[in-house]
Amino acid sequence: KAGVTQTPRYLIKTRGQQVTLSCSPISGHRSVSWYQQTPGQGLQFLFEYFSETQRNKGNFPGRFSGRQFSNSRSEMNVSTLELGDSALYLCASSSLSRTLNTEAFFGQGTRLTVV
Amino acid sequence: EDKVVQSPLSLVVHEGDTVTLNCSYEVTNFRSLLWYKQEKKAPTFLFMLTSSGIEKKSGRLSSILDKKELSSILNITATQTGDSAIYLCAVEIVETSGSRLTFGEGTQLTVNP
Repeated sequence: KAGVTQTPRYLIKTRGQQVTLSCSPISGHRSVSWYQQTPGQGLQFLFEYFSETQRNKGNFPGRFSGRQFSNSRSEMNVSTLELGDSALYLCASSSLSRTLNTEAFFGQGTRLTVV
Repeated sequence: EDKVVQSPLSLVVHEGDTVTLNCSYEVTNFRSLLWYKQEKKAPTFLFMLTSSGIEKKSGRLSSILDKKELSSILNITATQTGDSAIYLCAVEIVETSGSRLTFGEGTQLTVNP
């Protein structure tokens, strides 16, 4: 069974640009969550998508957005990039349902550097 | 505000030592507690704990959840250099429309030969 796939693995952008990151979950998983990991802040929750709907959102500005497609693949977009957006962006998938606890599996992440 | 605190933040041991990593939490709607190992990029899943007092075990690693004390420990016995990694504790929090993981800062474990 293929794991969670994130593309691209590395990205360098300049301030003010926008970026789109992609995540393909494990086959059969319908929940996709995004996290930002920085040395100072650790792993912080961005948002969660389930069946093409954003179910939950963390405390990030509106420049961070996402969407999920009918095949459960998800994209995350960051507009008007700032230096502080440099981070490892991790995507996690799970077959989460409301009544069944299931663990989340992470992709390798996209390392975004803003210069 | 939901909070997950791990201790120690870093730990250096010798091969063969036994280590205990701690995780405590203060959250609103607890669903489960998860441990992950992060070596380079992707955190890899270790354990998920939902019931208090039940020990989950996998080889030299084990973990217990104490819901009364709002904490969990991760034990690693007979450590090896390959155990060197960041160990992340996360609590799954249920909200009205979904759930999310809140992570601790992690414990950086270094196992020296």
